[in-house]
Amino acid sequence: SQQGEEDPQALSIQEGENATMNCSYKTSINNLQWYRQNSGRGLVHLILIRSNEREKHSGRLRVTLDTSKKSSSLLITASRAADTASYFCATVPPMEYGNKLVFGAGTILRVKS
Amino acid sequence: DGGITQSPKYLFRKEGQNVTLSCEQNLNHDAMYWYRQDPGQGLRLIYYSQIVNDFQKGDIAEGYSVSREKKESFPLTVTSAQKNPTAFYLCASRNRQDTQYFGPGTRLTVL
Repeated sequence: SQQGEEDPQALSIQEGENATMNCSYKTSINNLQWYRQNSGRGLVHLILIRSNEREKHSGRLRVTLDTSKKSSSLLITASRAADTASYFCATVPPMEYGNKLVFGAGTILRVKS
Repeated sequence: DGGITQSPKYLFRKEGQNVTLSCEQNLNHDAMYWYRQDPGQGLRLIYYSQIVNDFQKGDIAEGYSVSREKKESFPLTVTSAQKNPTAFYLCASRNRQDTQYFGPGTRLTVL
């Protein structure tokens, strides 16, 4: 079952602009993660934010988490053509045997040069 | 050079045939996972293993089987009971900080 839902489904921006993707989820979580997938490839881990954290940065990436609203956002600043990919949020529910990730359907980002 | 490898990259299956997808990791991770991805969708969990000689069904295990005889290896067999096996299959392992590392995937097509 899918826990997270990304919004928008697709996003097209110009190089240099910022890209914001949102993720909503249904149950409580232990942590939330963002992954990137280039077409036809495996997923690459971008950032993990724990339930007791509100914001996290990694290079041009900024992730926020609002557990009261059960939502997260991923901001990519100063986007580049190489950022073109699908972006997925995934949650780990607490007390979940196996620390299984539950993925959303993803946001397709296209950065035009 | 540490990481996860999957083979083959492309696989074609005839009706009624069982096929096995390989997944190997040298990251020394205990936990490994198999996911299925259909076009335009997220990943769905097929099977996972927390430790050698132990594995559990995920959300869509019907028609699939796995084994975990070695820490490094977690092969997935797609059996003839899986009626719609055409998909992209991804293997992953997990570190102690909960981050999952993915292989490059195997694209399976039914002829």
